Amino acid sequence: QQQVRQSPQSLTVWEGGTTVLTCSYEDSTFNYFPWYQQFPGEGPALLISILSVSDKKEDGRFTTFFNKREKKLSLHIIDSQPGDSATYFCAASGGSALGRLHFGAGTQLIVIP
Amino acid sequence: AQTIHQWPVAEIKAVGSPLSLGCTIKGKSSPNLYWYWQATGGTLQQLFYSITVGQVESVVQLNLSASRPKDDQFILSTEKLLLSHSGFYLCAWSLHPTNTGQLYFGEGSKLTVL
Repeated sequence: QQQVRQSPQSLTVWEGGTTVLTCSYEDSTFNYFPWYQQFPGEGPALLISILSVSDKKEDGRFTTFFNKREKKLSLHIIDSQPGDSATYFCAASGGSALGRLHFGAGTQLIVIP
Repeated sequence: AQTIHQWPVAEIKAVGSPLSLGCTIKGKSSPNLYWYWQATGGTLQQLFYSITVGQVESVVQLNLSASRPKDDQFILSTEKLLLSHSGFYLCAWSLHPTNTGQLYFGEGSKLTVL
């Protein structure tokens, strides 16, 4: 059973536009939701994260929203730049000491200049 | 500052040959360590995790094994490679015992099995 569903699979936006990625999850015990950014040939890097006690977290051009009732989260990138072109993964964890992260399938983002 | 280093960067191996991938973490004592596998264009699948030296837990069965011979070292290996083993292998660490699930990944090892 897929624990975390992510959409869209791929997305193309113009430079300066707003990118919106979405994820949903099944397990109501999940309480930590990070977003990772991965460039080709590199390991993923933590971009932004949110705990289930919050509904919004902002870091520069990146904002993540969390809706506990609907079990959904989203990542918004404003003023998208060509350098943002990468694959983005949402993930979810129940906060166990083992740090088991369940990853979504990823969204490949292309920002056109 | 903590650093994580994986080796080799890339390998091309024949089906049936052995494999050993390594990972070293510096600057962090007693971290949780993880191996992830990623198919080309795919998601991240956790393979193994370890919370202490000599102890490794398997998450999925892929005819691979892992060992943690030292506090800062994690090894992934197999005696016989399959075509399905091709992909990108990522080592990661997280804080222990306090852990919010935040993982720090290495640069990865690309494996091509022919």
